[in-house]
Amino acid sequence: QSVLTQPPSVSAAPGQKVTISCSGSSSDIGNNYVSWYQQLPGTAPKLLIYDNNKRPSGIPDRFSGSKSGTSATLDITGLQTGDEADYYCGAWDSSLTNWVFGGGTKVTVL
Amino acid sequence: EVHLVESGGGLVQPGGSLRLSCAASGFTFSGYWMSWVRQAPGKGLEWVAIINLDGTAKYTVDSVKGRFTISRDNAKNSLYLLMNSLRAEDTAFYYCARFYASGWHYYFDYWGQGTLVTVSS
Repeated sequence: QSVLTQPPSVSAAPGQKVTISCSGSSSDIGNNYVSWYQQLPGTAPKLLIYDNNKRPSGIPDRFSGSKSGTSATLDITGLQTGDEADYYCGAWDSSLTNWVFGGGTKVTVL
Repeated sequence: EVHLVESGGGLVQPGGSLRLSCAASGFTFSGYWMSWVRQAPGKGLEWVAIINLDGTAKYTVDSVKGRFTISRDNAKNSLYLLMNSLRAEDTAFYYCARFYASGWHYYFDYWGQGTLVTVSS
């Protein structure tokens, strides 16, 4: 069982918006920055969002992140078929001196 | 361009050992923390271990403590994971990842393509 809680799956039609939640605690999300990773089928994970809401170079602004208290959210707007992937949130856990991931959310474009 | 290339995976019997390697290029290896993350087939990501710039600080997930050891050789731009007393549940793709750590900012900014470790008799 993952330390951070994500919904197993979300779906929407092309062009629509999906929101993925990530729930943690005061020792991880509550006191540390959140990052998000995209894993396309059969490939390695890739950094999508860091420091709660920053995008690395090359990541389109259709992807956005936010954090409030012990929860974080990833929004994907203008959904495209190429966005079908697994998405993971992650954060440092200060009390465990560990990194923790969410269980992952599969995004399906209907 | 940052490149991380893992090697050393394969089939090993329960109780056996394996050493994974990660060859890094395209950046100043000694200037970054490094990490191993694994993913069992069809499952989610699980962080395994992290090592600081000079190898003096190491952190590992409880499930591998006492069995896995992370290390690095900055002269060879290489990261390693020595895995002993392997169990069936250690079967996974093992990814090498660069870990950005500055102040309270932590994240994995580059990942290798992974190497598969299968523990089976």
